[in-house]
Amino acid sequence: DTAVSQTPKYLVTQMGNDKSIKCEQNLGHDTMYWYKQDSKKFLKIMFSYNNKELIINETVPNRFSPKSPDKAHLNLHINSLELGDSAVYFCASSQKDTQYFGPGTRLTVL
Amino acid sequence: AQRVTQPEKLLSVFKGAPVELKCNYSYSGSPELFWYVQYSRQRLQLLLRHISRESIKGFTADLNKGETSFHLKKPFAQEEDSAMYYCALLIKAAGNKLTFGGGTRVLVKP
Repeated sequence: DTAVSQTPKYLVTQMGNDKSIKCEQNLGHDTMYWYKQDSKKFLKIMFSYNNKELIINETVPNRFSPKSPDKAHLNLHINSLELGDSAVYFCASSQKDTQYFGPGTRLTVL
Repeated sequence: AQRVTQPEKLLSVFKGAPVELKCNYSYSGSPELFWYVQYSRQRLQLLLRHISRESIKGFTADLNKGETSFHLKKPFAQEEDSAMYYCALLIKAAGNKLTFGGGTRVLVKP
């Protein structure tokens, strides 16, 4: 009965590949987010969707494309992976002001 | 632009000693501030928010608009408090955008 889940938990891939990370929430929240946590543990928002509509789109390379098939899912697709994309990616959801986070996906680009 | 600063990257205290994590923010509007905590191998979770004015796990935080601060305090640290702590500023007008500080790692020694 996990509230916010992400798959996969770990992702190791070569430079230049395309990969996706999936996120699902069963809290009935309207808004979902993607965050990136770098090697220095700095957390920064990337995107947010509200009812499948893009709300926040920070300065992120256009190789990153979020997709929200329905309000319970927000997937992150990354094209042409680069070494600098290695990080932990967190999904989150909220209804009001408190955000609930997923367990994170550790992406390693070799 | 909004900004959250946590000047201490690491705080090391002995069990039973007081601990204070500093957080300063810059924002021209009315701030909504939060503390999130990430225990080892666990997901990020809400610790407390200034609106609630509550004490969670013995932690309190007071919003000081004059000093633009939201420091987190606990009078007697416990070993289980060892974790990464993030101060965060919520901007509802920007689609509930959460801006995080750089994080402070707390290590409580026995």
